[in-house]
Amino acid sequence: SSEVTQDPAVSVALGQTVRITCQGDSLRTYYASWYLQKPGQAPVLVMYGENNRPSGIPGRFSGSRSGNTASLTITGAQAEDEADYYCNSRDSSGNHVIFGGGTKLTVL
Amino acid sequence: EVQLVESGGGLVQPGGSLRLSCAASGFTVSSNFMSWVRQAPGKGLEWVSVIYTAGNTYYADSVKGRFTISRDDSKNTVYLQMHSLRAEDTAVYYCARYSGSNFGRFDPWGQGTLVTVSS
Repeated sequence: SSEVTQDPAVSVALGQTVRITCQGDSLRTYYASWYLQKPGQAPVLVMYGENNRPSGIPGRFSGSRSGNTASLTITGAQAEDEADYYCNSRDSSGNHVIFGGGTKLTVL
Repeated sequence: EVQLVESGGGLVQPGGSLRLSCAASGFTVSSNFMSWVRQAPGKGLEWVSVIYTAGNTYYADSVKGRFTISRDDSKNTVYLQMHSLRAEDTAVYYCARYSGSNFGRFDPWGQGTLVTVSS
């Protein structure tokens, strides 16, 4: 099976822009989906496909893809954005799902 | 409101079995792809299994041959039957609706149910 990788930790100053990336060969075929998870809570979908935000997700979240890398960008990060962020994709067979290891975002 | 509620978690000895349930409301499981995702304590998310509308199923290599996903359309509920449980199966198990397609999104998620495998 293929895999997707994420940086373990990223930090951003309050109000600044941060990009969280997800890299893997399957992303050349499939788009990523993104989730944030706060301690003790279930994951929440924040982005999917090329650049689709579920209802209720603030407009400061955006998504993109280039080659084998998908990115989640937060423009004007807020304190409440501090969380673990996970990406997922379908694997090369299309039948399995793969998650990245997660990125812990700290808002300074 | 679209909602998923898991149940059935608990403490089980190594080698034991457990069945998790995921009751859906606000949509019908038979018309959707449904999946289980788990998270070991302090670790990341790990996909476990999926059941498609046609009934075909797929499993992560780590659980294949030990876990079985199924659904009861009359109860609008999805199940995960787990056998030969190991310490490394200890995790919070989440049920989620899965989109398939070219982005494979999970939404919504249940609140999770904790499975602890220990003697």
